[in-house]
Amino acid sequence: AQSVTQPDIHITVSEGASLELRCNYSYGATPYLFWYVQSPGQGLQLLLKYFSGDTLVQGIKGFEAEFKRSQSSFNLRKPSVHWSDAAEYFCAVGDNQGFKTIFGAGTRLFVKA
Amino acid sequence: EAGVVQSPRYKIIEKKQPVAFWCNPISGHNTLYWYLQNLGQGPELLIRYENEEAVDDSQLPKDRFSAERLKGVDSTLKIQPAELGDSAVYLCASSPGTSGRAQDTQYFGPGTRLTVL
Repeated sequence: AQSVTQPDIHITVSEGASLELRCNYSYGATPYLFWYVQSPGQGLQLLLKYFSGDTLVQGIKGFEAEFKRSQSSFNLRKPSVHWSDAAEYFCAVGDNQGFKTIFGAGTRLFVKA
Repeated sequence: EAGVVQSPRYKIIEKKQPVAFWCNPISGHNTLYWYLQNLGQGPELLIRYENEEAVDDSQLPKDRFSAERLKGVDSTLKIQPAELGDSAVYLCASSPGTSGRAQDTQYFGPGTRLTVL
């Protein structure tokens, strides 16, 4: 069965600084990988997804993620963080045989001025 | 385009009382999901519908939870009776495909925050 680990419960970065959120997955085959963002009081919004092809995926709001099969990772990056990026970020993995999407526990991002 | 609508947004009840949550998916979306999100955790699937058929309810605690999606549009999730451990956020999501496959983009509602006293 697939699983997702987000090692960092919370991260604090300064506005304008770069960001990297870590995600490790466990799955026997090539998984479907997702990053979602959840702002307080709102539902999850898809930032980007990876199914196949180019391992560097561009998403909305200036985010990108890189799939590294050798490390079983799908880390999310942003070159310059804005205060509005403060939110909870969830990595998720979907199996390519069925219909399950498993979410990680999330990483809360704090942005300081 | 309107997003996924959920109501109520907040609900406080005493244990052993019944409670119901309502979800209206994005128009035209065939697949509907109910998720449970505990504090500090990611969403966990409770049930998935394709049109009006519940195709995956393996994680739904059927002794106290029930769900329905009449006419393949709106859906209701019910808990009866509620327990203290049911305090959580209940999220509804929908996706446009009929396959319900993992690669389909899911669109989430804002959730209903349930507090059981």
